Amino acid sequence: NAGVMQNPRHLVRRRGQEARLRCSPMKGHSHVYWYRQLPEEGLKFMVYLQKENIIDESGMPKERFSAEFPKEGPSILRIQQVVRGDSAAYFCASSPPMGLARYFGPGTRLTVT
Amino acid sequence: KQEVTQIPAALSVPEGENLVLNCSFTDSAIYNLQWFRQDPGKGLTSLLLIQSSQREQTSGRLNASLDKSSGRSTLYIAASQPGDSATYLCAVIPQGGSEKLVFGKGMKLTVNP
Repeated sequence: NAGVMQNPRHLVRRRGQEARLRCSPMKGHSHVYWYRQLPEEGLKFMVYLQKENIIDESGMPKERFSAEFPKEGPSILRIQQVVRGDSAAYFCASSPPMGLARYFGPGTRLTVT
Repeated sequence: KQEVTQIPAALSVPEGENLVLNCSFTDSAIYNLQWFRQDPGKGLTSLLLIQSSQREQTSGRLNASLDKSSGRSTLYIAASQPGDSATYLCAVIPQGGSEKLVFGKGMKLTVNP
């Protein structure tokens, strides 16, 4: 049973470009969570999704950031017009319905130049 | 607003010592508490999860305790080894929320051979 998969593992974007981060949850997991880890900071919640639904996006910046978890395929975190402050590690976690534990992927390290 | 604190931020010990890592949280209304390990440049590995109705959990050389009323958890590592060197993160899921984890900033542990 493969763990949570994220790709790409490293992503370099110039200011103003778009970044797309993908997350495939563990088999049987229908809940996906995105977290961001800024340098020297703790992990901060961004968004919680179930298939085709955004449950809680209270941690998402109001502009430029969006997330989806379609019926088929991975969850996508999309950052438009990236700025240097978006440079961080973005982690995805998944859990089964009614699951207690969260299982994290290896993360995508975004660098904005 | 729930806040999670881990003190100290870093700890360096010789191999073989028994260690106690501390975690405190401001609001005792939690569903559960989870301890993670993060190696440099890697994702998070779940170590132990304690439900709010439980007092402790054990896995190998690791033991985690939870005192909800005082807002504290400790992670005990017996007979530390250089391979235990990593950043240890504590996180809680507050009640009444959307199942999002609230993280501490972590404690960087170095076990010297």
